[in-house]
Amino acid sequence: AQTVTQSQPEMSVQEAETVTLSCTYDTSESNYYLFWYKQPPSRQMILVIRQEAYKQQNATENRFSVNFQKAAKSFSLKISDSQLGDTAMYFCAFTSPNSGYALNFGKGTSLLVTP
Amino acid sequence: DADVTQTPRNRITKTGKRIMLECSQTKGHDRMYWYRQDPGLGLRLIYYSFDVKDINKGEISDGYSVSRQAQAKFSLSLESAIPNQTALYFCATSDNRVREETQYFGPGTRLLVL
Repeated sequence: AQTVTQSQPEMSVQEAETVTLSCTYDTSESNYYLFWYKQPPSRQMILVIRQEAYKQQNATENRFSVNFQKAAKSFSLKISDSQLGDTAMYFCAFTSPNSGYALNFGKGTSLLVTP
Repeated sequence: DADVTQTPRNRITKTGKRIMLECSQTKGHDRMYWYRQDPGLGLRLIYYSFDVKDINKGEISDGYSVSRQAQAKFSLSLESAIPNQTALYFCATSDNRVREETQYFGPGTRLLVL
């Protein structure tokens, strides 16, 4: 079974600064997808960014980018120019055909952006 | 995502009661999922369905059952609720026609079992 590990339960960053959230995963599969989801206090699960394992290029979405290191099984999220609205719980997740494309989540990192 | 709705949004029930959580989607997706979120544990898979005739157990299916009444509807039932089923429940959908595997979540149902 795949495991997803987020080693930082809580992080804090000042507004306009850059922060990196860590995620590692364990799998023997070659075809899989990785995601970062954001859960603000409203509790809605919001997709931040997606990475296909077969793509070498790191995904980017505006201020959000990932550092995907396939050999190291690492998938970190970088948030640039942090904004107060980025305060949320961030979950790293893994999916593959073998799991029925169900998501396997890490335990999350709580990010606080301060003025 | 307004395309995935869950009812009720909040529910308080007593131990031993049967309850049903409902999920509907207008996205036209075939795949539907139920997850449970507990503090400090992230989300865990309860059941998933690829179509109305295909139901699969997830990591924590004991004590739960599901029904896929139509492509757009996927219900989760607790036959006899117990306090440790108190959690936040999410329904999600994904599209098997595109190779992106993104799941879109409903707003969640907060369940309290007394």
